[in-house]
Amino acid sequence: EAGVAQSPRYKIIEKRQSVAFWCNPISGHATLYWYQQILGQGPKLLIQFQNNGVVDDSQLPKDRFSAERLKGVDSTLKIQPAKLEDSAVYLCASSFGTGGPYNEQFFGPGTRLTVL
Amino acid sequence: QQQVKQSPQSLIVQKGGISIINCAYENTAFDYFPWYQQFPGKGPALLIAIRPDVSEKKEGRFTISFNKSAKQFSLHIMDSQPGDSATYFCAASPPDSGYSTLTFGKGTMLLVSP
Repeated sequence: EAGVAQSPRYKIIEKRQSVAFWCNPISGHATLYWYQQILGQGPKLLIQFQNNGVVDDSQLPKDRFSAERLKGVDSTLKIQPAKLEDSAVYLCASSFGTGGPYNEQFFGPGTRLTVL
Repeated sequence: QQQVKQSPQSLIVQKGGISIINCAYENTAFDYFPWYQQFPGKGPALLIAIRPDVSEKKEGRFTISFNKSAKQFSLHIMDSQPGDSATYFCAASPPDSGYSTLTFGKGTMLLVSP
């Protein structure tokens, strides 16, 4: 079974530029998550989708971050404009659904963003 | 506010030894406590998880011990192997999110020396 795919794997941009990340979840997984993992810290949830609807975006900096999941499959996360503190690994995860403690989240390899 | 505190930040254990990583939480609404393992360049992967209705859960060499009154839980890796060298994250989730909203600790970098 193919895992969660993310691209690009690495991205270097200058501050105030824009950047977009792409995620393709595991086939059949209804729930998709975007996390931000700053060096030396655990992942922090940015946004959660159930199919193509937003379930939780309470920690998404909406003045500069946006995300969409058209057709309930692939998703893109965009940062515009980027700040130095956005340097982090952006992880995408997916799960079959929500509810129940055994609804495992499967993570992709992440995109490492460096903002100069 | 850090809701899940993890220690130590790093740990070096000899091959065959026991690795112990501790976590403490503040939110009494947390009801699901997973541990994730992350290798360099990879995303985290679920290792083992526990609900507070049991005090211990064992899967192979990995054991979670849970102390509800102290709001603490720990991961024990028995007979630690060099292949266990990775970063380990504890996490917690409340039931009202469908157990999907995970709050992670800061991670413990484990190195198992040959």
